[in-house]
Amino acid sequence: GAVVSQHPSRVICKSGTSVKIECRSLDFQATTMFWYRQFPKQSLMLMATSNEGSKATYEQGVEKDKFLINHASLTLSTLTVTSAHPEDSSFYICSARDQGRGAEAFFGQGTRLTVV
Amino acid sequence: AQKITQTQPGMFVQEKEAVTLDCTYDTSDQSYGLFWYKQPSSGEMIFLIYQGSYDEQNATEGRYSLNFQKARKSANLVISASQLGDSAMYFCAMRGRYSGNTPLVFGKGTRLSVIA
Repeated sequence: GAVVSQHPSRVICKSGTSVKIECRSLDFQATTMFWYRQFPKQSLMLMATSNEGSKATYEQGVEKDKFLINHASLTLSTLTVTSAHPEDSSFYICSARDQGRGAEAFFGQGTRLTVV
Repeated sequence: AQKITQTQPGMFVQEKEAVTLDCTYDTSDQSYGLFWYKQPSSGEMIFLIYQGSYDEQNATEGRYSLNFQKARKSANLVISASQLGDSAMYFCAMRGRYSGNTPLVFGKGTRLSVIA
């Protein structure tokens, strides 16, 4: 079964509004989670590293004020897309690793965001 | 920095036949891990197989095997006895093996189509 849960799976919002995406580790504690973005027919590109209890680390070119990340607990990280625009429409997916379970990274189900 | 190269944008294979998906990598790390993930049209990322850089034997998981050639820096995925349900995007990825808090770096992916 899924060990990382992401919600919502799909969301449509109007330009200028904000959208929050949640990523939860279900049966392990994740001090670090990763947020990726995937455009159609492209690969996963790392946006930011979410660290529990501290500020997120953003990749070059990713606007930290637009993509707000909060990792308030050991099992929850949230990504908020602020003042969304149509160009923010994309597939967003989170991942985390349970270091007690092996090398693989577990992924959430992903969120397909459409901004109209 | 780590880099993954997948040179096959698309591949076709006949049902019940075997297929090899190519992956080469570049890293300055002495210790690293290599992964393959499957992404069906739903978007979820399904872990298939893992190979550690110090593992002497090629990894196998059911119908999946990883042809690891360290000197050539290649980590090809072999799928035996292809099934229609294998049609999906396949991503090769890597991470410094003993660094649990670093993200996976992905290749561009290969779209596999299994033909009946």
